Amino acid sequence: GEDVEQSLFLSVREGDSSVINCTYTDSSSTYLYWYKQEPGAGLQLLTYIFSNMDMKQDQRLTVLLNKKDKHLSLRIADTQTGDSAIYFCAETPPGGTYKYIFGTGTRLKVLA
Amino acid sequence: DTGVSQNPRHKITKRGQNVTFRCDPISEHNRLYWYRQTLGQGPEFLTYFQNEAQLEKSRLLSDRFSAERPKGSFSTLEIQRTEQGDSAMYLCASSLQEGLRRTQYFGPGTRLLVL
Repeated sequence: GEDVEQSLFLSVREGDSSVINCTYTDSSSTYLYWYKQEPGAGLQLLTYIFSNMDMKQDQRLTVLLNKKDKHLSLRIADTQTGDSAIYFCAETPPGGTYKYIFGTGTRLKVLA
Repeated sequence: DTGVSQNPRHKITKRGQNVTFRCDPISEHNRLYWYRQTLGQGPEFLTYFQNEAQLEKSRLLSDRFSAERPKGSFSTLEIQRTEQGDSAMYLCASSLQEGLRRTQYFGPGTRLLVL
């Protein structure tokens, strides 16, 4: 099937680290993406990782990729109240399609 | 503004009416995508264009839905004879092919409510 799975909710205290997990479906996916969605808004690209990488760091964001387990994670360091949003992972399956397959989203709540 | 724009941002209609949404992609992007997002779910792919050619359609795109990109720039998504189940956020995205990478940039969406 085409189910990209994410846990539904995560709550952290301001200043702590957040880790959002994603299990994707196709080990041949070339690029994997993380997007952020604030209430009533579109999707904002946060970062992406190419499948031949294990880790990518971009300021407060660290992406880890485990291809064997088809597991992707996004770590947000020093989480701020402005990070409260829904986070989606997305994969780009091989085979000539250009669509993304999105996860169900993880709602991150940052407590002051 | 160089981002993806969508109009209208909100649309309320009665069941059975037709609605049309517009998407203006980032100017140099040759690919344009439509997704639908229902409450509590991730976006689901509907269709995509490369220039003016519609190259892939999801099974979600029933015969009441039609999308066009007549000059390879802006696109329209029309829903005929709307049903309450069509209520959702309709998202448009665009991308530029750069090797294997084809990062999609999303617009703010059009939220449709069918009464």
